Amino acid sequence: QVQLVQSGTEVKKPGASAKVSCTASGYIFRNYGISWVRQAPGQGLEWVAWISVYNGNTQYGQKFQGRVTMTTDTSTSTVYLELGSLRSDDSAIYYCARDSLPLSGAPMHSQSWGQGTLVIVSS
Amino acid sequence: EIVLTQSPATLSLSPGEGATLSCRASQNVSGHLAWYQQKPGQAPRLLIYNASNRVTGIPARFSGVGSGTDFTLTISSLEPEDFAVYYCQLRNNWPPLAFGGGTKVEMK
Repeated sequence: QVQLVQSGTEVKKPGASAKVSCTASGYIFRNYGISWVRQAPGQGLEWVAWISVYNGNTQYGQKFQGRVTMTTDTSTSTVYLELGSLRSDDSAIYYCARDSLPLSGAPMHSQSWGQGTLVIVSS
Repeated sequence: EIVLTQSPATLSLSPGEGATLSCRASQNVSGHLAWYQQKPGQAPRLLIYNASNRVTGIPARFSGVGSGTDFTLTISSLEPEDFAVYYCQLRNNWPPLAFGGGTKVEMK
């Protein structure tokens, strides 16, 4: 079955960068795009970024552009999200989520989600 | 930029009652709207996609309708496990994905 396993909690100081990973299994990795969605404590869901694993195309949320990068490592079926210039309001759980359908040219709804990675930004 | 507004923010209901959740888009959109359920400490779970298509394995008491700017998720008869927060999500040109603010369905 489809599984997305994320890396563990990150604690960072303001201004630093955080890099979280999402390792996939149970399907053909390169056929499905992956989004990152975050959720601040007690708040709603916010889409951050998406990558087409097939061709490497990325789309980033406007408020994150310039400080976010998504990459993939097909040898390990892993997707990475790196967020720089961290601020306290970047503290959140970050989820990776797989597109429900293969070979999508843009982010879409997700039936499979990782367990979440807590990123804490604090001085 | 399209904004999704969910209402009400909170619904207080009893098991067995029906729930009607609304998601309104700030502009006319296609039917690429999805609904998710999220329970505390868990990742969201996809319930409905393309406004009205139920994901395999989701109980028939969940149904979605809508087009244009107004979308609705209905839970016909609440089970104890249905008390959770529900989010709508829109797939569009820009932003590519957007979420509503959520509706909490709590037990009265």
